[in-house]
Amino acid sequence: SQTIHQWPATLVQPVGSPLSLECTVEGTSNPNLYWYRQAAGRGLQLLFYSVGIGQISSEVPQNLSASRPQDRQFILSSKKLLLSDSGFYLCAWTDPLAGGETQYFGPGTRLLVL
Amino acid sequence: SQQGEEDPQALSIQEGENATMNCSYKTSINNLQWYRQNSGRGLVHLILIRSNEREKHSGRLRVTLDTSKKSSSLLITASRAADTASYFCATDATGANSKLTFGKGITLSVRP
Repeated sequence: SQTIHQWPATLVQPVGSPLSLECTVEGTSNPNLYWYRQAAGRGLQLLFYSVGIGQISSEVPQNLSASRPQDRQFILSSKKLLLSDSGFYLCAWTDPLAGGETQYFGPGTRLLVL
Repeated sequence: SQQGEEDPQALSIQEGENATMNCSYKTSINNLQWYRQNSGRGLVHLILIRSNEREKHSGRLRVTLDTSKKSSSLLITASRAADTASYFCATDATGANSKLTFGKGITLSVRP
């Protein structure tokens, strides 16, 4: 069966510090991968998606970046965090061979920038 | 941009009652999906309805879609305390790469 992992689960970082959040998927190949941010009490905002290794599409301009160094690994990074980067970050995947419509979410990383 | 807008923002009902949640959207869609999120957790897919479908059932869930009104409703019958969660509608407008646009969500509280 397929599983998706995110770490860390919780992170407290000072303003201006770097960020690296990791997402890995097991039990599938060539997934489409997504990074979302959820502000408190709000819906999900799509940040990045990837259809293959090294292929990243950015949905919103920001100081975040994403990379996909391996087929089932998706990394969200920042060189200098802003207060507004605080939120709940969710990684998700879809199986394009199965239609790619349903998204399967990881447990999320809660980021607090102080 | 926000595509789906859920209504109401919050709903509180007694266990055993039915819960009806609505979602409206703005552009043409390929499909509309409903997800559930327990507090502090990731989202879980509940049900998908395609643009050429009008109604779909899954267990205690019933989803309707009216493309002429650009709206959908999610009905949870015989609610349970364990149904307490946030519910989101998400629309897939492109049909490519499953890029979903989520609403802000509805907070459902089911009182035991």
